[in-house]
Amino acid sequence: EVHLLESGGTLVQPGGSLRLSCAASGFTFSSYALAWVRQAPGKGLEWVSGIRNSGGNSGGNTYYADSVKGRFTISRDNSENTLYLQMNSLRAEDTAIYYCARLLGGSAASRPLDCWGQGTLVTVSS
Amino acid sequence: DIVMTQSPDSLAVSLGERATVNCKSSQSLLYSSNNKNYLAWYQQKPGQPPKLLIYWASTRESGVPDRFSGGGSGTDFTLTISSLQAEDVAVYYCQQYYGAPPYTFGQGTKLEIK
Repeated sequence: EVHLLESGGTLVQPGGSLRLSCAASGFTFSSYALAWVRQAPGKGLEWVSGIRNSGGNSGGNTYYADSVKGRFTISRDNSENTLYLQMNSLRAEDTAIYYCARLLGGSAASRPLDCWGQGTLVTVSS
Repeated sequence: DIVMTQSPDSLAVSLGERATVNCKSSQSLLYSSNNKNYLAWYQQKPGQPPKLLIYWASTRESGVPDRFSGGGSGTDFTLTISSLQAEDVAVYYCQQYYGAPPYTFGQGTKLEIK
């Protein structure tokens, strides 16, 4: 069974940094593109970042929403079956549940999200 | 970025009746080389992550009941629940995954029982 488990969410001050992790199991991690999607409290879904697979341990092309470009960095460790999101210069508007998700069908970027974790809550507040 | 607009924002339907959610994109999601519409639908129940229901605008994900169907092409799409069940109460989102990211979502449609 496919399983994605996010961790690392916590309360952080504005301007601070945080790294989220997503541990994957139940599928060939290195063969799939992955993404982070966030949901502010009581709001809708926002696609944040994506990463394709590639040969080797560290993944391929990366993509970002304009709202996080230059502040967030997505990465993956295929040897550890783990996806990461490094979040710097955090703002109050980054407060949200952050979900990691797998793209349907493998390595292509233009695919929907077929498996989701339960999410981890990031709160940016002083 | 492609803007996705859903209507209505909320919808109340009687049990056993049909529910329809609309989604409009700011540009065509139809890729001419493969004749596929790069549009998906998700269901999100309270306290849960979203669940993929439909992709390529009309292909049901494995395990999704056949009362859920997707239609449309180009810029206008619909999600239809043919006979509403109590367990279908949720927020429904459309998402485009055309071309390069970001793959934007609609604002969501809240479906309730009348």
